Amino acid sequence: DTGVSQNPRHKITKRGQNVTFRCDPISEHNRLYWYRQTLGQGPEFLTYFQNEAQLEKSRLLSDRFSAERPKGSFSTLEIQRTEQGDSAMYLCASSLGATQETQYFGPGTRLLVL
Amino acid sequence: GDSVTQMEGPVTLSEEAFLTINCTYTATGYPSLFWYVQYPGEGLQLLLKATKADDKGSNKGFEATYRKETTSFHLEKGSVQVSDSAVYFCALSSLPYNQGGKLIFGQGTELSVKP
Repeated sequence: DTGVSQNPRHKITKRGQNVTFRCDPISEHNRLYWYRQTLGQGPEFLTYFQNEAQLEKSRLLSDRFSAERPKGSFSTLEIQRTEQGDSAMYLCASSLGATQETQYFGPGTRLLVL
Repeated sequence: GDSVTQMEGPVTLSEEAFLTINCTYTATGYPSLFWYVQYPGEGLQLLLKATKADDKGSNKGFEATYRKETTSFHLEKGSVQVSDSAVYFCALSSLPYNQGGKLIFGQGTELSVKP
């Protein structure tokens, strides 16, 4: 069990650029979640996968955001045409599912849009 | 919609003091309740959980009891240590515990413990 990993840990980009983040969940965890956390606030849910199926998307997830989990393992979150308001910490979590629902969080990717 | 409200921080205590961090929630149905902790420079970690009314979650000397009548899940510790300095988040999951689903977090309460 190596924990949830996220890459990159930090990303600085210019407004209008596209960025992509990767999350590798704990192996055998079939549920994967993305959250966004801004300074001084709690994490806010963005989207959730069970295996490769995206089961829920928040209204916070505008059309510029897209997430995939193509083989039910790692996931990517892409933000197109970034805006300054996208600056935040993006958190990934995974859970085993079934009777064990504890979500284990990764260290996050901090995005700064200039 | 469902929501979680925590007492505002920062909270500053002396070592060995008693800690209470208040958390109340609004939810339809019967949510599961959680406390997560974020130590400086680290990711969120589950501290404790309770999945039904009157359950008490406990871990590392921290406790919280699921009170349905007051819609509360207050975090307590009898004697805090400097190493407990962190940000504490209360959260709920509206779906039954074994059916997954998103967590809804409070805004977090920063705790600072002085020697």
